[in-house]
Amino acid sequence: GAVVSQHPSWVICKSGTSVKIECRSLDFQATTMFWYRQFPKQSLMLMATSNEGSKATYEQGVEKDKFLINHASLTLSTLTVTSAHPEDSSFYICSARLGQALPQQYFGPGTRLTVT
Amino acid sequence: AQTVTQSQPEMSVQEAETVTLSCTYDTSESDYYLFWYKQPPSRQMILVIRQEAYKQQNATENRFSVNFQKAAKSFSLKISDSQLGDAAMYFCAYRVSIGKLTFGTGTRLTIIP
Repeated sequence: GAVVSQHPSWVICKSGTSVKIECRSLDFQATTMFWYRQFPKQSLMLMATSNEGSKATYEQGVEKDKFLINHASLTLSTLTVTSAHPEDSSFYICSARLGQALPQQYFGPGTRLTVT
Repeated sequence: AQTVTQSQPEMSVQEAETVTLSCTYDTSESDYYLFWYKQPPSRQMILVIRQEAYKQQNATENRFSVNFQKAAKSFSLKISDSQLGDAAMYFCAYRVSIGKLTFGTGTRLTIIP
C-alpha cells in the first residue's frame, strides 16, 4: 500500500514556541490531506482538510490561526502549532488521499507533541 | 450529522477464538463507505476492511469479515482465529463518497493467550 510519513515522530517544545510537523506522501500524489488530533484513549478528531494549492478547511472549534496548515505540493502538507501551550500536547496524525472520490486514505505514523 | 457508535469500549477473546465488534452509524445518505481500522500500540492506523454501501455482499479479508446490515445501519467486524497480533484499538469509520472520515470511539481488543 501507499506510504505516508510524518516528521518528527515526537517533539518536546517549550510553552510559547511554535512547532512544525511535516506529512509526506512518499509514493503517490495526494490531492487531499487531513490532520487529526488524538488524545489518550480517545478517537481521532479531524482538525482540518487541505487540498493542494488552496486554503485548508478547518473543523468547527479548531483555531485556524493557531494550527496553520500548508499544503504546498501534492506530496507535502505541514501543520504548525503556533504559540504552543501544554493543552496542545497530543498525538497528531496526518492522512492522505488520492482523489476526492476514492475510498482509501493512508495514514501517517503520527507525531507526539509535548509542550512543557 | 453523521455519527458512528461503538458500544463496546473493551472486548477480550481467547487466542484462536472468534470475536465480533459492533458498530452502528446514522446517516441519511445512500452512497457511502464503511471502514474498520486497527490501531496497535505503535499508534499507526491500519485499514482492516472496507465496505461499499451499494454492495450487498459482505466484505472479507482473510480472518476478518463484516456483517453489513444497511437497513439497520449496522456494521460489525468478526475476527476469526484470533491471534496475539490482533490486540489493538479498533475504530469503525464512515465516509460519504466525497467527504471526511467520521470515526467511532473505538473498542480495545485484548487477546488472552
